[in-house]
This record gives sequence, structure tokens and C-alpha cells, in this order.
Amino acid sequence: AQTVTQSQPEMSVQEAETVTLSCTYDTSENNYYLFWYKQPPSRQMILVIRQEAYKQQNATENRFSVNFQKAAKSFSLKISDSQLGDTAMYFCAFMKLPGVKIQGAQKLVFGQGTRLTINP
Amino acid sequence: EAGVTQFPSHSVIEKGQTVTLRCDPISGHDNLYWYRRVMGKEIKFLLHFVKESKQDESGMPNNRFLAERTGGTYSTLKVQPAELEDSGVYFCASSPRRGRSYEQYFGPGTRLTVT
Repeated sequence: AQTVTQSQPEMSVQEAETVTLSCTYDTSENNYYLFWYKQPPSRQMILVIRQEAYKQQNATENRFSVNFQKAAKSFSLKISDSQLGDTAMYFCAFMKLPGVKIQGAQKLVFGQGTRLTINP
Repeated sequence: EAGVTQFPSHSVIEKGQTVTLRCDPISGHDNLYWYRRVMGKEIKFLLHFVKESKQDESGMPNNRFLAERTGGTYSTLKVQPAELEDSGVYFCASSPRRGRSYEQYFGPGTRLTVT
């Protein structure tokens, strides 16, 4: 079974600073996706960024980027030039890729979450 | 396009009572998932529908939980009888069957409090 661990329950930084959220995972799978989801206060969870395990290049979405270390099973999220609107719970998640034996979309396995606060 | 909706947003019931949660996925999304976050812990998978069929129900905690998706549209999750440990936030998510099937869109959640 897969497990995802986020070792930072809470983090707090000043606006415009850069912050890195940590995530490690454990799996025997070779093909999978990794995700970071964001849940702002009282709002729905949304996808921030996705990484395919077979891609060596780290994914980037505007101010959000990841540092994917497959051998170390590490998947950290870097937020550059943080903004007040980045205040949220951030969840790291794992998904097996469908294959010959496993067809169709798969469930997400989540970490415990990191509560990030951006201070003005 | 409307997002995933869930009803009610909050439910408070007594131990032993029955509660039914509803999820309306994004129109056209064949995949529908239920997840639960209990007491600040990680979000855990409950089950996965493809249209009206249960693809994976390995996360259902016990037989007090019953999920249905009649007609392959909206889904309900019934807890009967509710226990204190069932308190938490229940999330529903949906994704298309083809294309970006890996991208799950989440609803706002239903906060269930069992007293």
C-alpha cells in the first residue's frame, strides 16, 4: 500500500517570501502521478500542480514548482513570491497510473496536510 | 460549468441516527469518488464509482456505510446508525472517464458531527 507523509503540520511566512512544503511517499509502483492540492479557508480543494513519475523535468505552474526526487521518494512544493491568497491547507497526494492490470482512473492517497499562512 | 456540489454543507446528528449525504458531480463525469477527513487527519478514500457501478469500495469502513449512484448521476452516502467516530468532513470528487481522468474536482465537503 502507498503512504504519503507531510511532516510540517503548520508553516507561516511573510508575503513575498518563498516557502517550501515537504512531502515524502512510499510505494513499490514505478508509474504514478503526484499532486499538490490546495484548500483555502471555507473553500473547495483545487489542484495546484501535477507531476508524472516518468518525467524527469520538474513541473511548474506560474509561482508554483515542485522538486521531484524519484529515488528519494520526495516531492516538495515551492511557492515563490507568496501572496495572501496562498493561505490554505496544502495536501500532497499520490495516484497509481492505470496499467495492464489496473484499468481506469484511480483513487488518491493523501498526506496529512500542511496549514500554510501568509502574513502581510 | 457548475462544479461538484454537496448537500448538506453541515449536519449535526445524534449517535444512532441516520444521515444521508448527497453529491452532484460535474455533468458528464463518469468517475465519482467519496473521501473522508476525520479529526484533522489525512483525507482517506472511501469508494469510487464509474457511472453507476462500484469500481473500488475498499475504503468503506464498515457496513454502516452505504453508497449509491443510481442512474450514474448524483450519489448518496448513507450512514446508519451513525457513531461518534463517523464525525468528520466528507468530500466528493469527480473526474472524466477519458482524457484528464486523473484530475479530480472536489466538492466543498459535508461536515458531519455526531454527538
